[in-house]
Amino acid sequence: QKEVEQDPGPLSVPEGAIVSLNCTYSNSAFQYFMWYRQYSRKGPELLMYTYSSGNKEDGRFTAQVDKSSKYISLFIRDSQPSDSATYLCALKGTASKLTFGTGTRLQVTL
Amino acid sequence: DTAVSQTPKYLVTQMGNDKSIKCEQNLGHDTMYWYKQDSKKFLKIMFSYNNKELIINETVPNRFSPKSPDKAHLNLHINSLELGDSAVYFCASSYLFYEQYFGPGTRLTVT
Repeated sequence: QKEVEQDPGPLSVPEGAIVSLNCTYSNSAFQYFMWYRQYSRKGPELLMYTYSSGNKEDGRFTAQVDKSSKYISLFIRDSQPSDSATYLCALKGTASKLTFGTGTRLQVTL
Repeated sequence: DTAVSQTPKYLVTQMGNDKSIKCEQNLGHDTMYWYKQDSKKFLKIMFSYNNKELIINETVPNRFSPKSPDKAHLNLHINSLELGDSAVYFCASSYLFYEQYFGPGTRLTVT
């Protein structure tokens, strides 16, 4: 079993839809949770960071963490074609490194 | 101004060859990384340097050797290339562990 599981998609939604992207993890040592966005043929870029259970909102994006269930989510409201990208969750525990999920490819159609 | 740059962007080479990828960052960050992203988009850390000191060395074949001449540069040399080395290699840098700035990637194809 991988440390971090993420549905690879692709996930196709119409413009304006609410998108839910999820990761599950097995290691309870993970304490820091990030979402990165990667456009095609580009490097990933940080979208959101949180370290506590609960919700964190930034514009149209909401990151949700449930440490008891080892489950993290990223919600995108009013999705736009420009949101079309691969979304990677990344987690960190006591080690110095980030452990990435395999990414979910999102396509927002007009 | 490019924050994290890598050269070359594309690299096509034959099995058995030796090649290098260069990375430079102008963000003033102390920590730099090399990641490998396979065809399924799985991004895995290979190495990390902090102020020119190696701090992460994942289970990577010793054909891969990173070198950090100064804290703004981190190069990756690969000996005796194999088909399985074909991937996109990303360099990244950070000041805060959670906010890593990635370069554009080097797409390596081994034939």
